[in-house]
Amino acid sequence: AQSVTQPDIHITVSEGASLELRCNYSYGATPYLFWYVQSPGQGLQLLLKYFSGDTLVQGIKGFEAEFKRSQSSFNLRKPSVHWSDAAEYFCAVVTGGATNKLIFGTGTLLAVQP
Amino acid sequence: DGGITQSPKYLFRKEGQNVTLSCEQNLNHDAMYWYRQDPGQGLRLIYYSQIVNDFQKGDIAEGYSVSREKKESFPLTVTSAQKNPTAFYLCASSPIPGQGLDTEAFFGQGTRLTVV
Repeated sequence: AQSVTQPDIHITVSEGASLELRCNYSYGATPYLFWYVQSPGQGLQLLLKYFSGDTLVQGIKGFEAEFKRSQSSFNLRKPSVHWSDAAEYFCAVVTGGATNKLIFGTGTLLAVQP
Repeated sequence: DGGITQSPKYLFRKEGQNVTLSCEQNLNHDAMYWYRQDPGQGLRLIYYSQIVNDFQKGDIAEGYSVSREKKESFPLTVTSAQKNPTAFYLCASSPIPGQGLDTEAFFGQGTRLTVV
């Protein structure tokens, strides 16, 4: 079955430090890949997405992600974290085909230290 | 102003009662989804629909029911058969992938259901 794995449940970084959040997926074909961010008690906001083409995609708020087919990964990065980036981050996959399910990882909670 | 609306934002119900959560979108999206969110478990798919009058079970459909009588609406009923219904529920909509359209999903602001 298709799945999305986010191995890091909780990450703490210092403000100004770089960030990488990991995401691995299990799916035979090239999936549609997404990163979403959620503030407490709110809905989800799209940070970036990958469908095809250039494997390095740029998103909002200075985030980027790189699709690596050989590693089945789609890791999210930011060169310099701001205190306002503290939130929960979700990686998601649309499986396509007949089912077209949108499935999510368990999320990574990011804390930012001053 | 296009978007997806969930109501109510907070809902309290007594144990054993059915309750229906509303989800409406005016984005002309074909696909709609319901998720349940619990701390540390991410978003788990309850039901999804790609077309009016058709829907499929997700990973945790037991104790829930849905309908899709209109393209714009995808209400979720939490029945008394759901053993632990207290949670945060999120609705989303998107175009269907592979149709040459942007497949980004848009989310409502969620409904927090508390069963006492």
